[in-house]
Amino acid sequence: SQQGEEDPQALSIQEGENATMNCSYKTSINNLQWYRQNSGRGLVHLILIRSNEREKHSGRLRVTLDTSKKSSSLLITASRAADTASYFCATWRNRDDKIIFGKGTRLHILP
Amino acid sequence: GAVVSQHPSWVICKSGTSVKIECRSLDFQATTMFWYRQFPKQSLMLMATSNEGSKATYEQGVEKDKFLINHASLTLSTLTVTSAHPEDSSFYICSARAKGRGEAFFGQGTRLTVV
Repeated sequence: SQQGEEDPQALSIQEGENATMNCSYKTSINNLQWYRQNSGRGLVHLILIRSNEREKHSGRLRVTLDTSKKSSSLLITASRAADTASYFCATWRNRDDKIIFGKGTRLHILP
Repeated sequence: GAVVSQHPSWVICKSGTSVKIECRSLDFQATTMFWYRQFPKQSLMLMATSNEGSKATYEQGVEKDKFLINHASLTLSTLTVTSAHPEDSSFYICSARAKGRGEAFFGQGTRLTVV
């Protein structure tokens, strides 16, 4: 398969709670990026983490990367209604220099 | 900086016609551009990779004669959907890799509807 795997595929949580999404990939990577996409719209770049980094923060976002397990997680703290969207991880593969997307997680924040 | 402009943002065309989508890097030189397709409620699937001045490399299952890609300059790549059919209706997104940088930047996408 071209894509990595993300879980969960869908997640519904109450506003104010934390949301955690995971991404696994298959091959050696240069970096991993997380994107948000609102329904029917373009991608919004959230954060990039390089293969030699283990954790990165940006506002309410925290991303971790475990290259030994070939996995990453995105944590959104204190979720808001505006966080409702689909979230994708994208890996930059070393072997062919391509950016490949995971299947995505549809996050729904309940009021 | 690092803005990628994709045009048009949406297009409706008749079955059998061809549609051209442009992807421009506005403030940087893009040595590589990627084209993706996204069906409703699905992820982005890489269609092809194009390098300036050379032929595009297509992913398995993507018809190169149907999806023509031209990367004529370091700031412009075009995707032409030839003889479009309703099943080609989709969201198409381009991404440009900045020369000398390990990052790529995405256009806002083009929603193609073939009627």
